[in-house]
Amino acid sequence: EVQLVESGGGLVQPGGSLRLSCAASGFTFSGYGMNWVRQAPGKGLEWVSYISSTGSTIYYADSVKGRFTISRDNAKNSLYLQMNSLRAEDTAVYYCARDNYDFWSGYRYWGQGTLVTVSS
Amino acid sequence: QSVLTQPPSASGTPGQRVTISCSGSSSNIGSHTVNWYQQLPGTAPKLLIYGNGQRPSGVPDRFSGSKSGTSASLAISGLQSEDEADYYCAAWDDSLNGLLFGGGTKLTVL
Repeated sequence: EVQLVESGGGLVQPGGSLRLSCAASGFTFSGYGMNWVRQAPGKGLEWVSYISSTGSTIYYADSVKGRFTISRDNAKNSLYLQMNSLRAEDTAVYYCARDNYDFWSGYRYWGQGTLVTVSS
Repeated sequence: QSVLTQPPSASGTPGQRVTISCSGSSSNIGSHTVNWYQQLPGTAPKLLIYGNGQRPSGVPDRFSGSKSGTSASLAISGLQSEDEADYYCAAWDDSLNGLLFGGGTKLTVL
């Protein structure tokens, strides 16, 4: 059974940093691209970042470019999101999501999400 | 500005067929496939349709998707109360070099 479990969320002050983790199991982690998607309270979905199976290709949403860094450790079956210079508008539930078959085929599996709150 | 436009709300009665539209542009829907997600209250999104009209295993054939030009649609036939959820379209955008989600459509089953 495919499982994605996020951790690392919490309350952080504006300008602070946080590192999210996503532990994957039930599939060959090194064979799939991975993504972070967030959802602000009461709002819609917003794609944050993508990393290819080998880590060689990375994309970011303009809203987080230069502040967030996505990475993965295939040996540990883990995905990460380093978030720096956090702003109030980064407050959201952050989901990690696995590509369905490939880059174009959607996100088939999602974690339960971890809440990040940026507030003083 | 690259956006995917969905109606904020839709509704139907049990057994009815409803459609949800998603309007984009040449840089997103016009150039790439569209995926659809269902999000039930308090839960993570679920992939409903990928590649414009393909269903992942386990998704009932009551759900179907289509694309024409720079627009896409999700159709739900035989509407059921458990279909009450938020629905999002998504497509890659070449101008942004990123994935776009539509604003979401809240479906109410009357």
